[in-house]
Amino acid sequence: GDSVTQMEGPVTLSEEAFLTINCTYTATGYPSLFWYVQYPGEGLQLLLKATKADDKGSNKGFEATYRKETTSFHLEKGSVQVSDSAVYFCALSDQMDGGSQGNLIFGKGTKLSVKP
Amino acid sequence: ETGVTQSPTHLIKTRGQQVTLRCSSQSGHNTVSWYQQALGQGPQFIFQYYREEENGRGNFPPRFSGLQFPNYSSELNVNALELDDSALYLCASSSRLAGRGQETQYFGPGTRLLVL
Repeated sequence: GDSVTQMEGPVTLSEEAFLTINCTYTATGYPSLFWYVQYPGEGLQLLLKATKADDKGSNKGFEATYRKETTSFHLEKGSVQVSDSAVYFCALSDQMDGGSQGNLIFGKGTKLSVKP
Repeated sequence: ETGVTQSPTHLIKTRGQQVTLRCSSQSGHNTVSWYQQALGQGPQFIFQYYREEENGRGNFPPRFSGLQFPNYSSELNVNALELDDSALYLCASSSRLAGRGQETQYFGPGTRLLVL
């Protein structure tokens, strides 16, 4: 079945460092890809998404490009801040018949800690 | 803030009891999905409701059941609670439009259930 694999954490960076969190997926259809972020004690917030190959999602300085040839959707940020400390989840939503999106399938999450 | 609310925020039950969790969807959304997030894991899809009917189910036993009401709010019921049911239960709302499929899912803050 469909699945998402993320790099294991925790990831600890200094403020202003460059961030990459790797995400690869397996899907039989044409999934949409998402990054969600979860701050301590809270639910999930949509960070960015991409719905087709070569699309780039971006938000709050974070970017990810949908790479169909490598089945990847790596999350990047050029300069992280302490406030970016959270758990990041990569997810896919497969296309159902008729083009509608199915349920979300999540990776296990990557915890990011940014030190001042 | 996504506009998706859940109640209660925390709950403690004992093994064998039953629990009902509630979710109010974002204004304009007609679809509600429920997810279970065990500690340190990614969320797992339980089921989805659209137009008051179950519209897809993950790998969860029948003692997990739900309802959707005419105002699109939803309940998740779990019977015969087991220790492994301890988790964060997340509700996500989205809009399913004819000819356009399901739009992005937006999550509530979750209900943390502890089964003793």
